[in-house]
Amino acid sequence: NAGVTQTPKFRVLKTGQSMTLLCAQDMNHEYMYWYRQDPGMGLRLIHYSVGEGTTAKGEVPDGYNVSRLKKQNFLLGLESAAPSQTSVYFCASITSTRGGFYNEQFFGPGTRLTVL
Amino acid sequence: KQEVTQIPAALSVPEGENLVLNCSFTDSAIYNLQWFRQDPGKGLTSLLLIQSSQREQTSGRLNASLDKSSGRSTLYIAASQPGDSATYLCAVIRSNTGKLIFGQGTTLQVKP
Repeated sequence: NAGVTQTPKFRVLKTGQSMTLLCAQDMNHEYMYWYRQDPGMGLRLIHYSVGEGTTAKGEVPDGYNVSRLKKQNFLLGLESAAPSQTSVYFCASITSTRGGFYNEQFFGPGTRLTVL
Repeated sequence: KQEVTQIPAALSVPEGENLVLNCSFTDSAIYNLQWFRQDPGKGLTSLLLIQSSQREQTSGRLNASLDKSSGRSTLYIAASQPGDSATYLCAVIRSNTGKLIFGQGTTLQVKP
């Protein structure tokens, strides 16, 4: 198993450009998440998905869109990048058991995005 | 609103010392608590997971405890080594969406 993978690993954008970050997991997990990590702010949830075809807003959703067309993939889009979106982006996934979340949440290696 | 706090924010110890990292959370209705390690410029490595019904978990030189009633968890590192230098994060899952709430982390430096 590859676990959770993220593409690309690094990216530099100019203000106003768009891009899509891809997250893939091969563990058949229902739940997937996008977090961003910033110095002094910790990790914050951007968007999440509780199953194929569903998405929901997290703590800091503005400026981002997501899609989950396939169970194994969760895409994060930036339509018009801003310098404030310079960050490290982590994708994660988990499965639920016994109606709760008692298992480990798995993280991808991260994407370092710089917006100039 | 669930809040997670880690104290201290930074810690420097000599090699070989036993140490304790602290994590507290405001709402005891959690599913589990997970400890992570993060090296500079790297991703998150899961160290230990404690389910809400458990009191502690051990892996090698690491031992994590959970006291839901007081909203506290500790990560005990025995016989610290320079390779243990990293940032340690704790996170809890409370809601029915499985999202993690993270603390700010404790940055550990173990000096040779």
